[in-house]
Amino acid sequence: EAGVAQSPRYKIIEKRQSVAFWCNPISGHATLYWYQQILGQGPKLLIQFQNNGVVDDSQLPKDRFSAERLKGVDSTLKIQPAKLEDSAVYLCASSLVKWGSSNTGELFFGEGSRLTVL
Amino acid sequence: AQSVAQPEDQVNVAEGNPLTVKCTYSVSGNPYLFWYVQYPNRGLQFLLKYITGDNLVKGSYGFEAEFNKSQTSFHLKKPSALVSDSALYFCAVRPASGNTGKLIFGQGTTLQVKP
Repeated sequence: EAGVAQSPRYKIIEKRQSVAFWCNPISGHATLYWYQQILGQGPKLLIQFQNNGVVDDSQLPKDRFSAERLKGVDSTLKIQPAKLEDSAVYLCASSLVKWGSSNTGELFFGEGSRLTVL
Repeated sequence: AQSVAQPEDQVNVAEGNPLTVKCTYSVSGNPYLFWYVQYPNRGLQFLLKYITGDNLVKGSYGFEAEFNKSQTSFHLKKPSALVSDSALYFCAVRPASGNTGKLIFGQGTTLQVKP
């Protein structure tokens, strides 16, 4: 079974530039998550989708971050304009778990996209 | 507020010795608890989870974890550490109800196993 695919693996940009990350979840997984992992910290949820709808985006800095999952499969996370503090690894995860159902399932993570903002 | 604490930034053990990586949580109601491992430049890999039942759960690579409700802890253990166990370990919690399914992570503990 193919895992969660993410690209690019690494990206270096200057502040105020824009960047986009792509994620393709495990086939059949309805729920997709984007987490931000700053060096020395645990992953923090940015946004959660169930199919093509947003379930939780309470911690997404909406003035500069946006995400979409138009067809309920792959997803794109965009940052525009980037700030120095956005330097982090952006992790995509997917799960069979659906909001409102039994939440015992684990999340499956991609290898992450490392962003460096200069 | 729901939170997870991993009180040790780093744990050092000698190969062959038992290891413990500590985790405590704060969440309303009964939690679901998880451990993940992260190797350098890789994503998080699932190790084990506690949902209900036996307080000692067994997972991948010989790891196990003990759920203690009175101490709100979920410590990760292994009877005999390997050098290849050296990695970053994350504890995570998901409330059993009123939650969208997301995991809340601790800050991570680096495990260093020396030959």
